[in-house]
Amino acid sequence: SAVISQKPSRDICQRGTSLTIQCQVDSQVTMMFWYRQQPGQSLTLIATANQGSEATYESGFVIDKFPISRPNLTFSTLTVSNLSPEDSSIYLCSVDRQGAAEAFFGQGTRLTVV
Amino acid sequence: AQSVTQLGSHVSVSEGALVLLRCNYSSSVPPYLFWYVQYPNQGLQLLLKYTSAATLVKGINGFEAEFKKSETSFHLTKPSAHMSDAAEYFCAVTGGGNKLTFGTGTQLKVEL
Repeated sequence: SAVISQKPSRDICQRGTSLTIQCQVDSQVTMMFWYRQQPGQSLTLIATANQGSEATYESGFVIDKFPISRPNLTFSTLTVSNLSPEDSSIYLCSVDRQGAAEAFFGQGTRLTVV
Repeated sequence: AQSVTQLGSHVSVSEGALVLLRCNYSSSVPPYLFWYVQYPNQGLQLLLKYTSAATLVKGINGFEAEFKKSETSFHLTKPSAHMSDAAEYFCAVTGGGNKLTFGTGTQLKVEL
């Protein structure tokens, strides 16, 4: 298994500001994934973060709004920029293990934009 | 491309009754299928997974699911519901790669 520590667990932010979410894994992983879970909805993949390269964004998500860093094989950050109430969601970090065919998730960050 | 349909956004059962949560998938390649559970204010926890081995998969907490290719289904069952099973359940599919596609989730309520 993988232990994922995600910070902060929750935050309330003002419109127009930004929030950076940190994801720390207890072992080295190639890929890290960022998901968004809007209220009452399922999880949607925002982007895939590989160490040493630009993140790959899914349709509907752009780097200017969701910049991602991946400085090493155990850590990543997701920033949600220029916040609006529509960004109020749970953001989850996920990793998988090579050959394990299983994704592990952090506890999530509950963001409320006021 | 892959997609998942979960029938019933809310399911309510009595304690001790059978739990059946439905999941149908669409995949252009042989799928890997997963069920995850999410308790309030927590992340997702894997219940079980199908990765092309046995079609009947047993998971944690007494849950199991059967992969039926002819029906493109992967329904989740538990013979006897417990109050602690109340949570949201997500079915997910991947085509053997790393990206998971999730269903819209089913909120399970267990009543006395």
